[in-house]
Amino acid sequence: DQQVKQNSPSLSVQEGRISILNCDYTNSMFDYFLWYKKYPAEGPTFLISISSIKDKNEDGRFTVFLNKSAKHLSLHIVPSQPGDSAVYFCAASDSDTGNQFYFGTGTSLTVIP
Amino acid sequence: EAQVTQNPRYLITVTGKKLTVTCSQNMNHEYMSWYRQDPGLGLRQIYYSMNVEVTDKGDVPEGYKVSRKEKRNFPLILESPSPNQTSLYFCASSRTGGWQPQHFGDGTRLSIL
Repeated sequence: DQQVKQNSPSLSVQEGRISILNCDYTNSMFDYFLWYKKYPAEGPTFLISISSIKDKNEDGRFTVFLNKSAKHLSLHIVPSQPGDSAVYFCAASDSDTGNQFYFGTGTSLTVIP
Repeated sequence: EAQVTQNPRYLITVTGKKLTVTCSQNMNHEYMSWYRQDPGLGLRQIYYSMNVEVTDKGDVPEGYKVSRKEKRNFPLILESPSPNQTSLYFCASSRTGGWQPQHFGDGTRLSIL
């Protein structure tokens, strides 16, 4: 049973425009969330995270928004660049149970030059 | 260079032949974890370890064993591999688990015939 879902398998965006990647979760006990980016033939790399005590976290072109009541988070990339083309995974964990992580199925982002 | 190293990168083998995938990190991280990535299912956690001699089951531990005898190494053992264990496997580590972002290896593609 998938506790973290990314319902859009793919997304295409023009260079310079905003990319919005979405993630939904079912477990209300999750209290921190991370986004990872993955290029082909490489392992995922950490991008940005957010705690449930916040509703927004920014790092340069990347912003993650958390809506706890809707159990929804989104990753905004502005402006999108061709080098952002990759698969993006969201992940969630519950600090009470410690160190078990649940990942979504990934969204493949293509930024068109 | 800080890295997580997995070996082998690719392996084709047959049902029932025991195999070990090694994972080593050079960052003195306490937390290590194994994931498998399958189409449509994203990344699923197999086992994780908070420190030497401490291991816990993730979401999909059946058919796998792990050991953590040294801080830097966290091998994944398939005692009697079966075709449903054909997958892309990733090892990851982080400083202390929890909030800390994980560093991933480049993956091991296993095919069990």
